[in-house]
Amino acid sequence: DVKVTQSSRYLVKRTGEKVFLECVQDMDHENMFWYRQDPGLGLRLIYFSYDVKMKEKGDIPEGYSVSREKKERFSLILESASTNQTSMYLCASSRTLAGLAAGNTIYFGEGSWLTVV
Amino acid sequence: DAKTTQPNSMESNEEEPVHLPCNHSTISGTDYIHWYRQLPSQGPEYVIHGLTSNVNNRMASLAIAEDRKSSTLILHRATLRDAAVYYCILRDGSGNTGKLIFGQGTTLQVKP
Repeated sequence: DVKVTQSSRYLVKRTGEKVFLECVQDMDHENMFWYRQDPGLGLRLIYFSYDVKMKEKGDIPEGYSVSREKKERFSLILESASTNQTSMYLCASSRTLAGLAAGNTIYFGEGSWLTVV
Repeated sequence: DAKTTQPNSMESNEEEPVHLPCNHSTISGTDYIHWYRQLPSQGPEYVIHGLTSNVNNRMASLAIAEDRKSSTLILHRATLRDAAVYYCILRDGSGNTGKLIFGQGTTLQVKP
């Protein structure tokens, strides 16, 4: 089975701290994604990556950056955490086959619950 | 990005079939229709996807209208474990990432 592992399930950080959320997938997937989920707002795409060292902004990239130095690992970075970044963060990955990604399944991690105080 | 419209909530009785509708009138020819579901305190999990033809797997069936402007997820016999938020999503087949844009989804309640 495909596994997407998020390093921390629950975190509490202080305002202004630098926060790293790590995600690792074990199926050699090309594409990786970071979402955040908030009540009433659903899941919103923060950043995604379709290859090592490649990244693209999603719908809400402000206040976040990402790093993909290895194919299996995609990190979400909050440079200076703020209380409005308290949320549940979801990492996901999927394959691209013959140049097509949309026909493939996206696999999600269990989520990381971040509280910024 | 093309959008989907789903009812906010639906109820079903255990052991009965459930039909979850989704409208996607602005779908393009390269968009795949994906369904995911999310159980409480978990990440979304894949249910089924299709392009033009109806699809079946061990979890569900997907019925796609001939004009592709709507689809229906069918759970053949609902169980209490099927209570979840179900998301109908269009995934762009023209790009090389196929990012998923989630809508609000349908909250399915299953009554014993």
